[in-house]
Amino acid sequence: TQLLEQSPQFLSIQEGENLTVYCNSSSVFSSLQWYRQEPGEGPVLLVTVVTGGEVKKLKRLTFQFGDARKDSSLHITAAQPGDTGLYLCAGAETSGTYKYIFGTGTRLKVLA
Amino acid sequence: NAGVTQTPKFQVLKTGQSMTLQCAQDMNHNSMYWYRQDPGMGLRLIYYSASEGTTDKGEVPNGYNVSRLNKREFSLRLESAAPSQTSVYFCASSSLAPATDTQYFGPGTRLTVL
Repeated sequence: TQLLEQSPQFLSIQEGENLTVYCNSSSVFSSLQWYRQEPGEGPVLLVTVVTGGEVKKLKRLTFQFGDARKDSSLHITAAQPGDTGLYLCAGAETSGTYKYIFGTGTRLKVLA
Repeated sequence: NAGVTQTPKFQVLKTGQSMTLQCAQDMNHNSMYWYRQDPGMGLRLIYYSASEGTTDKGEVPNGYNVSRLNKREFSLRLESAAPSQTSVYFCASSSLAPATDTQYFGPGTRLTVL
């Protein structure tokens, strides 16, 4: 089973700070997704990246897919308490697959 | 639209008991999935159904069976529950394969096996 390792596991920051979450693997992925999950709820998709080197922005969130398609990062600018949650990356090894491999997650807490 | 609904929300079983987790979606999606989420391990795919009438094993299928009852409903059955199956179970659905479409998740079923 291929693994997706996320770092850091836990992150507690003050409102207004910037942060980066990393998702790394030794495997090449055809696509990679980022999700946010709040307590008691299922994950919600934030973005899908499919091209090596691709950068996508979603308001204050910037997602990057590594050139070699083995890693990805999520950068949040000026974090807000509403960003608090569990961030999960998930990768697909082949295009068209239904099997996504999920990372272990980064639990973010933004303090007001 | 309710999206993806799961029942029950909470369940406690004794070792050896059986139960079925129910999942339904009202988005006319072709594909449905069952995942389990354990602390420090992310989500792991148990079974999926790419389309009505088909089911396939995911990463951790042992101890589980599934039924795609119709396009809307996808159930997960534990025939003889074990403590190792204590977890939070999520059902999800998508119109196409996840790489090209959004996967929508239900709220989860919290299962404890004593």
